[in-house]
Amino acid sequence: GQQLNQSPQSMFIQEGEDVSMNCTSSSIFNTWLWYKQEPGEGPVLLIALYKAGELTSNGRLTAQFGITRKDSFLNISASIPSDVGIYFCGAGGTSYGKLTFGQGTILTVHP
Amino acid sequence: DTAVSQTPKYLVTQMGNDKSIKCEQNLGHDTMYWYKQDSKKFLKIMFSYNNKELIINETVPNRFSPKSPDKAHLNLHINSLELGDSAVYFCASSPRGQGGGNTIYFGEGSWLTVV
Repeated sequence: GQQLNQSPQSMFIQEGEDVSMNCTSSSIFNTWLWYKQEPGEGPVLLIALYKAGELTSNGRLTAQFGITRKDSFLNISASIPSDVGIYFCGAGGTSYGKLTFGQGTILTVHP
Repeated sequence: DTAVSQTPKYLVTQMGNDKSIKCEQNLGHDTMYWYKQDSKKFLKIMFSYNNKELIINETVPNRFSPKSPDKAHLNLHINSLELGDSAVYFCASSPRGQGGGNTIYFGEGSWLTVV
């Protein structure tokens, strides 16, 4: 089936550093989304991307929908301790709501 | 608060039991889902309902039966629970509109442990 390859699997960074993670696929998708999940909680939507090439920001977060429609990246600038969590990329096609997810990137931020 | 809310949050039960997880959304969305997250944090869709009608059923054992009494509610009933059913189950919903059907909002999860 369709799979998303998300990297890196984990990151250990110092507070204030910038972070970059990405997702790639062998399939084309119509929607790319980025979520953050904290322990004991559900994934929270950070950014949704609907058009190839689209670049969208949400505060210190910036994400882009790749031109080929097969990839997306998420950048976090000037990380802070509360950025800690697991970040998931999700991608959707024409079967609405049937998202395929990446394996997640575990982010640890040292104060 | 506008949200996707599900109960119970934690459920520990014995093998062979039958249990239900309830879900409600007050976001006015037409489509609701159940996703399963395994021990490796991998998220996978189980079911989706659009306005009370089943539209996606992802080869889930028929011990799992979703029920949607109205478009704001989607409950999950599990019969004859097995050890392998231990996971986190997330209810979710999505609105209509461009890409909207793919813009999924998750509940806080129900942690099911079968012993």
